[in-house]
Order: sequence, then C-alpha cells, then structure tokens
Amino acid sequence: GQQLNQSPQSMFIQEGEDVSMNCTSSSIFNTWLWYKQDPGEGPVLLIALYKAGELTSNGRLTAQFGITRKDSFLNISASIPSDVGIYFCAGTGSNSKLTFGKGITLSVRP
Amino acid sequence: DTAVSQTPKYLVTQMGNDKSIKCEQNLGHDTMYWYKQDSKKFLKIMFSYNNKELIINETVPNRFSPKSPDKAHLNLHINSLELGDSAVYFCASSQTRYEQYFGPGTRLTVT
Repeated sequence: GQQLNQSPQSMFIQEGEDVSMNCTSSSIFNTWLWYKQDPGEGPVLLIALYKAGELTSNGRLTAQFGITRKDSFLNISASIPSDVGIYFCAGTGSNSKLTFGKGITLSVRP
Repeated sequence: DTAVSQTPKYLVTQMGNDKSIKCEQNLGHDTMYWYKQDSKKFLKIMFSYNNKELIINETVPNRFSPKSPDKAHLNLHINSLELGDSAVYFCASSQTRYEQYFGPGTRLTVT
C-alpha cells in the first residue's frame, strides 16, 4: 500500500532556530498536506500542495511539493515555543485516499 | 462557531459495553470521516461517508458501525468494546478529498 515516511520521530531545537522536516514516499503522490497536532487536540491543516514543484508559505511555514512527486518538505523559520507539537505529512496517491505519515514530534527549548 | 465537534471528549467504559461517539460539522462539507489514532500517534482512516453514503470502509471489525443521519452528522457506534479499542477517535470533514478538517477527538479508554 501507499506509505509516507517521516523521520526522525522527534526533533529538538532551540527557540529562534529554523527547522526542516521531510516526508518521502516510494510511490507518486498527487497531493501533499501538512498538519500540526497540539496535545489533546485534533490535527490542524497548515498547508496544502497540489502541483509538483509548488512552494507555498503560511506565515513562518513554507512547504514544497517535490518535483519527483515522491517527497515534500516543511520549513519552520524562527521557531517559537508554540510551534511544539506533532507534524504530520499526508498525501493522496493513486487510490485517492488520504494517507498520513507517522508524524514528527517537535520540541522547542526556550 | 466550532467547525467539527465531537462528543464526548472522554469516554471510559468497561469491556463488553456498547458506546457511541457523535460528530457534527457546520462547514457544509459533503464528506465525513472517522479516524483512529493509536498510542504511537498513528492516524488510520476507518470510514468515510459522502452525502450519507459509505464510500470508504477500511478493515475495521464489524463491531464498529458508522451512521450518518444527514450530511452534517456522522456517528460511530461500537459494540462489545475490547481493550484494544482504547485510542483517540477523530472525526473529520472535507469538501474535496484532500483538505480534511478534524474535530478535537474522543479519547476512549476501555478497562
């Protein structure tokens, strides 16, 4: 089946630093989405990407749809404490179902 | 003006019981979903309904039965609860297949 790979499982950064997260797949995906989940809450959609090569920003967040359609990355610039949470990539491939990666837990040290 | 709401937020029950979780969305979306998030935070789709019709039914025990009385509501009924059913259950909705909006989750604990 279609799988999305996110690693590492956890990342620890200092407040003010930039961080980049990658999401890869062995098969082609047609849509990439990035979600953030705060503790005790549901995932919240951050950015949606629909076209290979597309680069989209949302405040301090920037995400790109890889040109091979097998990867996407999310950058967070100038991190702040409220950036803490789990970041999931998600995508739709040939079966049109939304598949989620296992998530990366981000910790931000003040 | 909550977009996707679920009740209850927490549900603690004993093995063998039957329970329901309710979901409502006020976004006017046509499609609603149920996801299960396990202790390792992995999100797995269970069901999807489009305009009250079941369109996705993943490999879920038939003790789980979704019901959609109208396109704004999708409830999940679980019979004969087992310890392994303990998880957080999320409802979501979307207008397209891609941009899904999630509810706050229901943490189910089976003892």
